[in-house]
This record gives sequence, C-alpha cells and structure tokens, in this order.
Amino acid sequence: ETGVTQSPTHLIKTRGQQVTLRCSSQSGHNTVSWYQQALGQGPQFIFQYYREEENGRGNFPPRFSGLQFPNYSSELNVNALELDDSALYLCASSRGGQGAAGETQYFGPGTRLLVL
Amino acid sequence: DQQVKQNSPSLSVQEGRISILNCDYTNSMFDYFLWYKKYPAEGPTFLISISSIKDKNEDGRFTVFLNKSAKHLSLHIVPSQPGDSAVYFCAASTSGDYKLSFGAGTTVTVRA
Repeated sequence: ETGVTQSPTHLIKTRGQQVTLRCSSQSGHNTVSWYQQALGQGPQFIFQYYREEENGRGNFPPRFSGLQFPNYSSELNVNALELDDSALYLCASSRGGQGAAGETQYFGPGTRLLVL
Repeated sequence: DQQVKQNSPSLSVQEGRISILNCDYTNSMFDYFLWYKKYPAEGPTFLISISSIKDKNEDGRFTVFLNKSAKHLSLHIVPSQPGDSAVYFCAASTSGDYKLSFGAGTTVTVRA
C-alpha cells in the first residue's frame, strides 16, 4: 500500500510570487486535507477535498486555493505569497469525506516553504 | 481560538519508565480524538485514537484515556524507549465535520 506523498520537499519563493504544492493520496483514500504548520505550532486546517469538490475550509484567505483530480491527488495553490506563509505544508488523506465520523487522516512528509 | 491545548511543551523521561502526555479541549462537540507522533523532517504519524463512547483504548505500549466530563485526554507510553523521542500532537474532530484541530505538541525526550 502506497502512503501519502508530497512534492516538492522544499521550496524557496519571494514575496508576491505564486506556488503550487502537490499531494498524492494513499491508495483507497478519496479525501485529501491540507494543513499549514508554522514553527512551534500544531498543524492548522486549510481545506479539504472530497470527490473533487471543496468539503470545508479553515480560516485562510482566498489566495489559498486547491484542486482535487479524478485520481484523488490534489494541489494547493497560494497566490501573492507573504512572509508569514513560510511554513510546513502537510497533506493528509482519508477514506471518509463528507464529515465521516471517526476517520483517521494519514499525513505525507510535507513541503517546507520559505518565503523571502 | 485554540480548542485543543497541550500545556506541557516538553517532557523528559528515563528509558523504561512511563511517559504521560496530557491534552485538554474546550469544544464539547468533539467526539473523536487522535494522537500523532512526528519526527523532524517527517509528517505526523498516526499512533492511536479513541471515540467519545469509550474512556480507554490500548494498543501495545500506548494507551489513551478520555475523561469527557473534564474535557481531558492523556497518552501513556509504557515502557518508554529511545525511539519514542519525538513531538506528540493531540488532535480532535467532530462527527459531520471535516477537519482535525491540533494542539501545539509536546516534545518527548527519552533518556538512556
């Protein structure tokens, strides 16, 4: 069984640029969630995709957007990068979607983004 | 608004002894709780979970206890091993919701 994979592992951008991060979900999983983890903090929920539609969103501005593809892989796009966007971006996949109770999310290794 | 809190940023324990990690939550709608372990440069790894209909769940050396009235859960690791040195995150979710709410993490160091 293939786990959750993310690319790239590291990325350096400058303020104002745009970035796309990619995630492949674990086989058999149809739901992908994205989280931002700033240094010294726990992961913060950005949004979730279920069957190619956004299934819920955390407290992040619209310049954070995403996509899910028919094979359940996903992208996170961030426009107009700000210095505070520097963080570890984590992707997690699960089976449930639509608010399924008791669903465990399995995380990828993350993409470390540095905005200068 | 931090709905899940881990008030101890760090814990040091001797190899072979018990590690006890604590977590408090404020949202009474949470009904599913998880613990994740994270090594540097890796994503969080799922350890153990518990549903609100239970007060204890055990998996090998790991046991999670849930006290709903106190809105408190704890993770016990017995015996602690050097490979347990990592950051541990407590997380919670609600039926019908789609996100995990995380605490800030507790760094565990197991001394030989």
